[in-house]
This record gives sequence, structure tokens and C-alpha cells, in this order.
Amino acid sequence: TQLLEQSPQFLSIQEGENLTVYCNSSSVFSSLQWYRQEPGEGPVLLVTVVTGGEVKKLKRLTFQFGDARKDSSLHITAAQPGDTGLYLCAGVSEKLTFGTGTRLTIIP
Amino acid sequence: SAVISQKPSRDICQRGTSLTIQCQVDSQVTMMFWYRQQPGQSLTLIATANQGSEATYESGFVIDKFPISRPNLTFSTLTVSNMSPEDSSIYLCSGAWGYGYTFGSGTRLTVV
Repeated sequence: TQLLEQSPQFLSIQEGENLTVYCNSSSVFSSLQWYRQEPGEGPVLLVTVVTGGEVKKLKRLTFQFGDARKDSSLHITAAQPGDTGLYLCAGVSEKLTFGTGTRLTIIP
Repeated sequence: SAVISQKPSRDICQRGTSLTIQCQVDSQVTMMFWYRQQPGQSLTLIATANQGSEATYESGFVIDKFPISRPNLTFSTLTVSNMSPEDSSIYLCSGAWGYGYTFGSGTRLTVV
């Protein structure tokens, strides 16, 4: 069974601070995706990383795929209240395997 | 990207009854999936809905409890059968196209 462990599980920080969320697996994936989910909605795809060592930026969000394609990180700079949500990494094979999730709360 | 309409958005059901959840995609997707999610937690894959054939179920999920249909490329249903309070959860459908995955807004089911 492929497992993706995310850390931290919960994170509550002040607006303007920086944060990093980690996603670690013992398995190699062809690619890895990050999603954000808000209450009452389905997950929304933020990014797909494919190549080991790849770094992608989406405004204040920076995503990195580990060299061995088994881990990833999401870094948010100057967090805003709109960043609040459940962040999920997902390993892509013939199906998605979701990580354990990180619930992020940004305090105004 | 595809847009998925899922209904009902929520329901409260009596134990022992069944509920069918519908998922409609506005364009063709290669694959469709059904997930279960406890509020605030991650998603667990129930099954892959295969067009015109039996769904492929993950470990711990069986067809008698969660029958799935997918009569065409854009529509699927999931039935939660003989419900018990332990089935209370959020159920989501998803469509896959290339690298992209789109999710419905989910069905929040409460069994009383």
C-alpha cells in the first residue's frame, strides 16, 4: 500500500508569516500533485510536478519535487487569510493516492 | 478542465435504507472515481468506475455495499446500500483527463 504522510497535520499562523508543508512517501510516483480544499467543496488542483528536483511557483506558493520523486514540499510566502484550507498532496500512478492532509489556518 | 456536477449535495437518511449519488461531467473524461472523506481528513478511494463494466474496488470496499454504474463517459452513480451510522461521511466523485483531475463538490451523508 502506497502511503503519503504530510506534516504538519495542523498549522495555524499569523497573516504575513511563511510556512512549509511536507509530503513524504516510501514509494516513487510518476508525478505528484497538490490540491487545496475548502469546506463544502471538492479538492482543487494547484500544481503537478513531474521531474525529480522540479520547482514550480504559483504566485506566493512554491512547490518542489524531491530528486527521487518520493517527496515534495509546499512553501507559502507571506500567508494570507485566503490561503486557509485543507492542503492535500497526491501521488499519481494509475490512480491518485492522497496524502494525510494539512489543515492550514491563517489568522488575520 | 471538466466541470463535475454532483447531487445531492447533502442528505440525512435512515439506517437500513440506500442512497444513490449522481455525478455528471460536462465533457468526456478518461476515468471516473469515487472517494469517501471524513470532514477535515484526507480522501480514501472507494472504486474506479469503468464504463460499461463492473467497477474496480479498493481493499475494504465491496460491490454489494457500494454498487457503481457508469453507463457512458460522462455519467456515474454510487449507491450506498443498507446504510448504518458508520457510513456517515462525504462522498466525492472525480474525473480524470490527462494529468488533470476534477472533483465534484461532494455529498455530505448523515445516517441516523
